[in-house]
Amino acid sequence: RKEVEQDPGPFNVPEGATVAFNCTYSNSASQSFFWYRQDCRKEPKLLMSVYSSGNEDGRFTAQLNRASQYISLLIRDSKLSDSATYLCVVNGPTGGFKTIFGAGTRLFVKA
Amino acid sequence: DTAVSQTPKYLVTQMGNDKSIKCEQNLGHDTMYWYKQDSKKFLKIMFSYNNKELIINETVPNRFSPKSPDKAHLNLHINSLELGDSAVYFCASSQAVGASNEKLFFGSGTQLSVL
Repeated sequence: RKEVEQDPGPFNVPEGATVAFNCTYSNSASQSFFWYRQDCRKEPKLLMSVYSSGNEDGRFTAQLNRASQYISLLIRDSKLSDSATYLCVVNGPTGGFKTIFGAGTRLFVKA
Repeated sequence: DTAVSQTPKYLVTQMGNDKSIKCEQNLGHDTMYWYKQDSKKFLKIMFSYNNKELIINETVPNRFSPKSPDKAHLNLHINSLELGDSAVYFCASSQAVGASNEKLFFGSGTQLSVL
């Protein structure tokens, strides 16, 4: 089993749609979780951290379920500019600190 | 001002050559990294340095040698390049190591093509 697994997609959605991405991780001792965004031929950039209580940043909502070792990202009212690859990232455990990237989920938002 | 800058952006070379990629960060971070992103788009850590000291060395051939002259710089030298080394190499930095909530800041990448 891969340490961090994501549905590779691609997800093709119309503008204005709501889309959700899922990610699972294998190490129950993992400490922190993030979503990064990577545009084609560009570097990854931090989109948001993910907390157990769930967190929202504008149209983006991230959720963590530690019991199921599952992370999600919800994008509401998709924009053309949301087209990118979304990388699920898992850190830890502390002491053996290591950042693991998922392979990414590709999103295409179409007019 | 670019926070993490790496050069060159593109590197095309023949098998067997030796090449270097340079990276510098002006964020005042203590920790720097090299990541490799292959054709399948997996981002894998290669090395991590904290304050000029090597702290993570994944299973990377010893043809790859990182060098950190100071905590703001982490260069990557590759000897005897092979076809399989073709990938995008990203430099990154974070404020500290060992803090599991550390966020990474990436350079714009170096596309290495070995012919």
